[in-house]
Amino acid sequence: EIVLTQSPGTLSLSPGERATLSCRATQSVSSSDLGWYQQKPGQAPRLLIYEAVTRATGVPDRFSGSGSGTDFTLTISRLEPEDFAVYYCQQYGRSPLTFGGGTKVEIK
Amino acid sequence: QVQLVQSGAEVKPPGSSVKVSCKASGGTFDSYAINWVRQAPGHGPEWMGGIIPIFGTPNYAQKFQGRVTLSADKSTRTAYMELSGLRSEDTAMYYCARNFLALSLVQPFDIWGQGTLVTVTA
Repeated sequence: EIVLTQSPGTLSLSPGERATLSCRATQSVSSSDLGWYQQKPGQAPRLLIYEAVTRATGVPDRFSGSGSGTDFTLTISRLEPEDFAVYYCQQYGRSPLTFGGGTKVEIK
Repeated sequence: QVQLVQSGAEVKPPGSSVKVSCKASGGTFDSYAINWVRQAPGHGPEWMGGIIPIFGTPNYAQKFQGRVTLSADKSTRTAYMELSGLRSEDTAMYYCARNFLALSLVQPFDIWGQGTLVTVTA
């Protein structure tokens, strides 16, 4: 099983600041098989990024993904009030599909 | 626009079974995998398995093998997840989620149901 470790657990930032979230895998993950989700309280996760770098439909361009192999990054260039949420990475290339434990981006 | 609507919250005693439904409206149903993901309070999502209705053969996470049964009814555009031998650790929100592209299990999940809260308590 591929274990995904996300860091930091919590990121305290102000609106307008840049957020950098990390996702590290225990085995190499194909870039085509890595995604990022946003989850707000009481809601289902929402797909933001797939294939490590491709934004899903309707996702603002302040969100960007990068990385390869075992290290992937989600960057939010300038935080908007609606971006404060929990973010999860997911690998969907090998069964069992796995998610990271999440990074909470909170208002400082 | 495809929507997934799940059945309502359940309260079950330990040792029993629960069956959750996920009905698709709009778009194509048969050729897109429907996955089941659960999320315990304060934890990350956990994939349980998936099924492509047109093929009908489920793919289960080993952790749930023998306890979970996935099925899909093409005529009613509804997918089902049944979990047996319930224990308190199974208390969680259960989501169905559709794959981004058709006819492949190797895809992210772009459409999610609203979730079904399953509580296991004596």
